[in-house]
Amino acid sequence: TQLLEQSPQFLSIQEGENLTVYCNSSSVFSSLQWYRQEPGEGPVLLVTVVTGGEVKKLKRLTFQFGDARKDSSLHITAAQPGDTGLYLCAGGQAGTALIFGKGTTLSVSS
Amino acid sequence: GAVVSQHPSRVICKSGTSVKIECRSLDFQATTMFWYRQFPKQSLMLMATSNEGSKATYEQGVEKDKFLINHASLTLSTLTVTSAHPEDSSFYICSAHRVGTEAFFGQGTRLTVV
Repeated sequence: TQLLEQSPQFLSIQEGENLTVYCNSSSVFSSLQWYRQEPGEGPVLLVTVVTGGEVKKLKRLTFQFGDARKDSSLHITAAQPGDTGLYLCAGGQAGTALIFGKGTTLSVSS
Repeated sequence: GAVVSQHPSRVICKSGTSVKIECRSLDFQATTMFWYRQFPKQSLMLMATSNEGSKATYEQGVEKDKFLINHASLTLSTLTVTSAHPEDSSFYICSAHRVGTEAFFGQGTRLTVV
């Protein structure tokens, strides 16, 4: 059974701080996605990484896919209150359901 | 971008009644859709895989007679919660894959059974 270990599960920081969320597995994934979810809404796709070692940037968010395609990280620089939400990593193989990590609940206070 | 629409967004029903939730892919065809359940501040739990034109595949522990899934067309899957009980109250989310593994999610349905 493929599992994705996501950490930390909860993170509470001050505005302006940096943070990193990790997603690790013993399995290889063909791709890995990061989603952000706000209460009462469905997850919204932030990024998809498919190549080992790939780094993608989305404004203050930096996503990295491990060389072996078993792990990924999300780094947020200078966090803002608007970054508050549930961040989910998900790995998958083509045509199958995504496997989700447990999620990281991020709270950024001003 | 791809859009998946889920309806209704909120529903309150009485114990013992049934509720149908619709999931539509608006700008692409989805031979496979997925239904998830989510508890507060937790991640998504896969309930079942909905396959167009065939029976759904349910995850272990999910009662197929209670959570009826129908995927009659390439753009519509429905989840019917039958004989709902308060413990069925939850946030239900559907997703569809457009290309490869990239999934797009519906807005979710908050079900409250009273």
